[in-house]
Amino acid sequence: EIVLTQSPGTLSLSPGERATLSCRASQSVNNNYLAWYQQKPGQAPRLLIYGASSRATDIPDRFSGSGSGTDFTLTISRLEPEDFAVYYCQQYDSSPRTFGQGTRVEFK
Amino acid sequence: QVQLVESGGGVVQPGTSLRLSCATSGFTFADYGMHWVRQAPGKGPQWVALIWFDGSIKDSADSVKGRFTISRDNSKNTLYLQMNSLKAEDTAVYYCAGDPWGGNGYLDSWGQGTLVTVSS
Repeated sequence: EIVLTQSPGTLSLSPGERATLSCRASQSVNNNYLAWYQQKPGQAPRLLIYGASSRATDIPDRFSGSGSGTDFTLTISRLEPEDFAVYYCQQYDSSPRTFGQGTRVEFK
Repeated sequence: QVQLVESGGGVVQPGTSLRLSCATSGFTFADYGMHWVRQAPGKGPQWVALIWFDGSIKDSADSVKGRFTISRDNSKNTLYLQMNSLKAEDTAVYYCAGDPWGGNGYLDSWGQGTLVTVSS
């Protein structure tokens, strides 16, 4: 099973700042089959990034993904008020599909 | 627009059964792999099970193997999860989610979830 470890657990930032979220895998995620999701309270997760770096439909270009192998990053270039949420990475390379434990981006 | 609507959740006692449904519209259901993902209160999402677009391949997490069964009816655009021998640790919001790669991919569409509470 691929274990995904996200860091930091919480990121305290202000609107307009840059957010950098990390997702580290316990073994290589082949073909960069890694996705990022955003979740707000009381809502389902929403797909942001797939294939480590491809933005999903209607996702603003301030969201970008990078990385390969075991180290992946989600960057939000300039935080908007609606971006304060919890972010999860997920690998779909192997079974069982696994999620990271999440990074909360909160208002500083 | 794409819609996934789960139903069938509720409060049940340990050891009993429940069947969840996920009615879909707005996309070609028969082309999509479908997954169930659950989220316990205050926790991150946990993948539960998947079924390929044509039902030919199914897979599930070890924690539910032998107790939960995923199925689909492409004529009704509906996904199911039969949950037997429920345990307290199965308490969670259960989401259905669509996989545009037919069963091998990411989750690009999600329902709003249905809450399952297992308690005596």
